[in-house]
Amino acid sequence: NAGVTQTPKFQVLKTGQSMTLQCAQDMNHNSMYWYRQDPGMGLRLIYYSASEGTTDKGEVPNGYNVSRLNKREFSLRLESAAPSQTSVYFCASSELGGPKYEQYFGPGTRLTVT
Amino acid sequence: GESVGLHLPTLSVQEGDNSIINCAYSNSASDYFIWYKQESGKGPQFIIDIRSNMDKRQGQRVTVLLNKTVKHLSLQIAATQPGDSAVYFCAENKKTSYDKVIFGPGTSLSVIP
Repeated sequence: NAGVTQTPKFQVLKTGQSMTLQCAQDMNHNSMYWYRQDPGMGLRLIYYSASEGTTDKGEVPNGYNVSRLNKREFSLRLESAAPSQTSVYFCASSELGGPKYEQYFGPGTRLTVT
Repeated sequence: GESVGLHLPTLSVQEGDNSIINCAYSNSASDYFIWYKQESGKGPQFIIDIRSNMDKRQGQRVTVLLNKTVKHLSLQIAATQPGDSAVYFCAENKKTSYDKVIFGPGTSLSVIP
């Protein structure tokens, strides 16, 4: 099993450009998440999908959109990138939502917006 | 405001010694706490969790202690090894937040060989 995979690993964007971060999991998990991690701060939840067909906003959703394409895939889109979106983005999945289900994280995408 | 934070941003320990990483939380409504380990260039990895109705839980070489009176959480690593060098995050989950886990800023553990 590959677990949680993310593409790309690195990306540099100019302000105003758009891009989609891809995430896939092969563990048949129902719940998927997108986080961002900034220096000196913990991970902050951007969006999550409790199950296929549903998405909900997390702590910092502004400037992002998500799509739960199917049970395996959950993408994050930046429509008009801003320097404040420079960060490391992590996708995670868990069997079900809620605290008793361990979240498995991907390796991250390092995004720089100039 | 509600927050989960760490007392020490960095910690250096000698190989073989025990490590203690501390965490404070402010929301007494939190009922579930989790410790994650993040190695350089990788995503966080679950270590151990504890529910608010417990005050201690042990895993392999790790122990988590919860003191609800002072809203304090700690992670103890026995016989610290070089492979334990990483950033450690504590996180809380609030009963009403269902899927939302709030992470602290993390503390960096360096193991001196």
